[in-house]
Amino acid sequence: QKEVEQDPGPLSVPEGAIVSLNCTYSNSAFQYFMWYRQYSRKGPELLMYTYSSGNKEDGRFTAQVDKSSKYISLFIRDSQPSDSATYLCATGYPGFQKLVFGTGTRLLVSP
Amino acid sequence: EPEVTQTPSHQVTQMGQEVILRCVPISNHLYFYWYRQILGQKVEFLVSFYNNEISEKSEIFDDQFSVERPDGSNFTLKIRSTKLEDSAMYFCASRTGETQYFGPGTRLLVL
Repeated sequence: QKEVEQDPGPLSVPEGAIVSLNCTYSNSAFQYFMWYRQYSRKGPELLMYTYSSGNKEDGRFTAQVDKSSKYISLFIRDSQPSDSATYLCATGYPGFQKLVFGTGTRLLVSP
Repeated sequence: EPEVTQTPSHQVTQMGQEVILRCVPISNHLYFYWYRQILGQKVEFLVSFYNNEISEKSEIFDDQFSVERPDGSNFTLKIRSTKLEDSAMYFCASRTGETQYFGPGTRLLVL
């Protein structure tokens, strides 16, 4: 079983739509959860970080973690064409050495 | 805003040659990482480095890989004898708190 699973997409939505991106993880030892955005041939850019179950909001972005079901989500409200990118979920252990990434979901927002 | 920088942006080398990838982490960060991303695959952890020594490494990070912090600013990844399968994007990251910040990457192509 993969440590972090993520649907690769692509996910195509019209501008203004609400986007839901999801990951599942297998190891309950993971305590930290991040969402990174990666544009083509660029480095991952941190969007959201959380370490507890529940919601965390930052502008148009909301990260949600459900540790009981090992499920993490990223919601994007009022999506824009500039949001078109690959979204990577990542998890980490206490002591926080390596990050374990999902495969990434490619999002396409059309004008 | 401070950022992680990496040089070169692209590197082409012949199989069996040594390459050194360079990174300048964000100043005052103490934890440093190398990850790689083979085209179309997920970002994979290679090694973490703290207090001038390796703190964790993956099974990918075998004897042909080494890391060094030769001075107060640079952090390098050396691949001693490159193989075709080393072709990938290599990302450096540095950490403060629980947040890892990634550089733009070096695209390595081994012919």
